[in-house]
Amino acid sequence: QLQLRESGPGLVKPSETLSLTCTLSGGSISSSSYYWGWIRQPPGRGLEWIGSYSYGGSAFYNPSLRSRVNFFVDTSKNQVSLKVYSVTATDTAVYYCARLPFWTGYYYFDNWGQGTLVTVSS
Amino acid sequence: EIVLTQSPGTLSLSPGERATLFCWASQSISSTSLAWYQRKPGQAPRLLIYGASTRVTGIPDRFSGSGSGTDFTLTISRLEPEDFAVYFCQQYGTSPLTFGGGTKVEI
Repeated sequence: QLQLRESGPGLVKPSETLSLTCTLSGGSISSSSYYWGWIRQPPGRGLEWIGSYSYGGSAFYNPSLRSRVNFFVDTSKNQVSLKVYSVTATDTAVYYCARLPFWTGYYYFDNWGQGTLVTVSS
Repeated sequence: EIVLTQSPGTLSLSPGERATLFCWASQSISSTSLAWYQRKPGQAPRLLIYGASTRVTGIPDRFSGSGSGTDFTLTISRLEPEDFAVYFCQQYGTSPLTFGGGTKVEI
């Protein structure tokens, strides 16, 4: 059974880089049928899609975050990673990774991780 | 971007009752481009329905989705104790992908 697990520092200082990793078990990161996405939910607010990307390097982003975000894939560890640069308190959120079944042609998320809380504070 | 508004914010019901959750889009979206998810505390969100009305394999048939254009509905015909959770909709017809604010179904 596919499982996604987010991990990373729970506390990041303002202006620094937020780095999160999503480890996949029960499936392969390098499958061409899927994209991998990051979604976040700030406290008291709704879910916000950050972006989605494939093992092959194709990616699409939320324009509101595009200039501060980068994605990485590590096939040796079956992981995908997110970096958000120059963070501020508004980047405080629960961050989720999720799988997008690109092969369907539709961009919903069919498997999610439990999420990890990242707080931006000095 | 397309803004999704969910209503009500909280729905207080009892087991066995019917729950009707609404998701309104700020502009028309294809009925193939609307999904519903369930999230319980401490658990990963779970995809329930995609394409506005297609249930994911393994999702009980008490969950049903409908709608088109700007108005979409998730109905839980008879609430089971395990259905008390937060539900949110997502549109994937237009980038950026967007989500609704969620409806909490509570006892």
